[in-house]
Amino acid sequence: NAGVTQTPKFQVLKTGQSMTLQCAQDMNHEYMSWYRQDPGMGLRLIHYSVGAGITDQGEVPNGYNVSRSTTEDFPLRLLSAAPSQTSVYFCASSVDRGFQETQYFGPGTRLLVL
Amino acid sequence: AQSVTQLGSHVSVSEGALVLLRCNYSSSVPPYLFWYVQYPNQGLQLLLKYTSAATLVKGINGFEAEFKKSETSFHLTKPSAHMSDAAEYFCAVSGAAGNKLTFGGGTRVLVKP
Repeated sequence: NAGVTQTPKFQVLKTGQSMTLQCAQDMNHEYMSWYRQDPGMGLRLIHYSVGAGITDQGEVPNGYNVSRSTTEDFPLRLLSAAPSQTSVYFCASSVDRGFQETQYFGPGTRLLVL
Repeated sequence: AQSVTQLGSHVSVSEGALVLLRCNYSSSVPPYLFWYVQYPNQGLQLLLKYTSAATLVKGINGFEAEFKKSETSFHLTKPSAHMSDAAEYFCAVSGAAGNKLTFGGGTRVLVKP
């Protein structure tokens, strides 16, 4: 199993540009989530999904959209990038009972917005 | 609301010395507590988790943590540090509702030879 994969590994955007961060998992996990990691702030939950077709907001959802059309994929969309979205983004998945279970993290996407 | 505080953003230890990383949490319900480790340029991986079965939890790589309800703490320890323990460590809490996971700010561990 590849586990949780993320693409791209690194991206530079200009303010106002849009992009999609890809996340896929091959463990048949129902829960998937997106976090951003900023120095001194740990990881903060952006959006999460409890299954195909079901998404919900986390702690810092503004400026980000998600959808979940399949169990395997959970892309994160930035519609109009801002410098404040410069961060490292991690996707994670887990089995039923979501956040009470072990989270399996991808390797991350480092995003720089100029 | 749940929250996590990790005391000390950076910790320096000598190889072979005790590693102690502090974590205090607040949660209105019995918590699920986790320690994750992040090696440079990698994602996070689970070290150990507390799910109310036992207050002393043993994890991978010789780490263990003790849940103390009266102190709302879940400190992480390892008796003897190894160079490979140099990483950033995160404490996290989830409540009984299971609809969110809150991370502490992280503690970066430096191991000196």
